[in-house]
Amino acid sequence: GAGVSQSPRYKVAKRGQDVALRCDPISGHVSLFWYQQALGQGPEFLTYFQNEAQLDKSGLPSDRFFAERPEGSVSTLKIQRTQQEDSAVYLCASSPRVANNYGYTFGSGTRLTVV
Amino acid sequence: EDKVVQSPLSLVVHEGDTVTLNCSYEVTNFRSLLWYKQEKKAPTFLFMLTSSGIEKKSGRLSSILDKKELFSILNITATQTGDSAIYLCAALKAAGNKLTFGGGTRVLVKP
Repeated sequence: GAGVSQSPRYKVAKRGQDVALRCDPISGHVSLFWYQQALGQGPEFLTYFQNEAQLDKSGLPSDRFFAERPEGSVSTLKIQRTQQEDSAVYLCASSPRVANNYGYTFGSGTRLTVV
Repeated sequence: EDKVVQSPLSLVVHEGDTVTLNCSYEVTNFRSLLWYKQEKKAPTFLFMLTSSGIEKKSGRLSSILDKKELFSILNITATQTGDSAIYLCAALKAAGNKLTFGGGTRVLVKP
């Protein structure tokens, strides 16, 4: 597609519920990233894929967070047993293998609210 | 621990004013410094700076990197209300392409 597409745009979950957030990167982009942005803060790195390989998951805050990209294109970020502190905007970004002078392209994000 | 700090946290200016945003970083294996504009949710790319002392310009926006003092500035001249946004800077590491973001500067341009 022309840009990075994320769905759903908004998600309200009851505490303890599992959620799945989807990211469709730009076609052909090898690298895919997930970031978490709490209200009033900058995005924080969660995890990074190169094709289907998850090369860095050091930013995942707990074992309740899981990300996958099984075919090297679409990625899903899953949060199990959601907690109120998980409320944030989850941003996905993609880039060619080596970041060019245009940086990364971000999606519009999914705003997760845990009640 | 990698750290990127932006200042000021926020500022309010009037149309036509010039603003200067600051970004300092302490990042191991540093490669480049990126600036983004975030109006609603998706940060949009402004600049990527890799070499020290070379100014990049795009219309009324310009930016420069100082790799000795570990900071970058973003200038916006002749501000317009459409420049109102959060401006984010991020440091790119040489390995893994991971971005470390600062907390952002919220700019409000009043007519």
